[in-house]
Amino acid sequence: QVTLRESGPALVKPTQTLTLTCTFSGFSLSTSGMCVSWIRQPPGKALEWLALIDWDDDKYYSTSLKTRLTISKDTSKNQVVLTMTNMDPVDTATYYCARISSSWPNWYFDLWGRGTLVTVSS
Amino acid sequence: EIVLTQSPGTLSLSPGERATLSCRASQSVSSSYLAWYQQKPGQAPRLLIYGASSRATGIPDRFSGSGSGTDFTLTISRLEPEDFAVYYCQQYGSSPLLTFGQGTKVEIK
Repeated sequence: QVTLRESGPALVKPTQTLTLTCTFSGFSLSTSGMCVSWIRQPPGKALEWLALIDWDDDKYYSTSLKTRLTISKDTSKNQVVLTMTNMDPVDTATYYCARISSSWPNWYFDLWGRGTLVTVSS
Repeated sequence: EIVLTQSPGTLSLSPGERATLSCRASQSVSSSYLAWYQQKPGQAPRLLIYGASSRATGIPDRFSGSGSGTDFTLTISRLEPEDFAVYYCQQYGSSPLLTFGQGTKVEIK
């Protein structure tokens, strides 16, 4: 069974750095074509793509958030980590990790985690 | 970066009716690299359609996608009670920068 699960702090203070972990099972991120991505959704708003890492350790970031994001993977632990610096209340959102199992350019998300709500407040 | 605009923002329909949702891209989407997702309250999105018209595994055939270039459509032929949700389109393939539309809510009239 393929699953993804997000974990991290529910509350962070403004200016702090957020670290989120996506732990997955049922597939390997060393398999050719496999990718894991992060997407967020502020309460009541639309989905926003953040970052992606592929099986070959290539990394891609949202243009608007590129300077604040870092994505990395630990293949042995089946984990992908996202860090976001200088958190602000506008970053309050549910953060999802999702899988892409088709090679570029077929980058659509075929499986999602349940998401984790992160609130930014002092 | 390709911007996706979905319309209408909200669609009020009754069960059994046909729903037609639009997704328009700011520039041509290569090879119809467009996906549709369904999201119910408190849940993660679920893949419905990829490649503009291919149904994902387990998706009922009342869901269909069409379109090319800059104009794409998701059609739900006969709305079931479980279909009332928010629907998002997403483009891929033109660059590694992925984008979503702002969503269309299908609500019960």
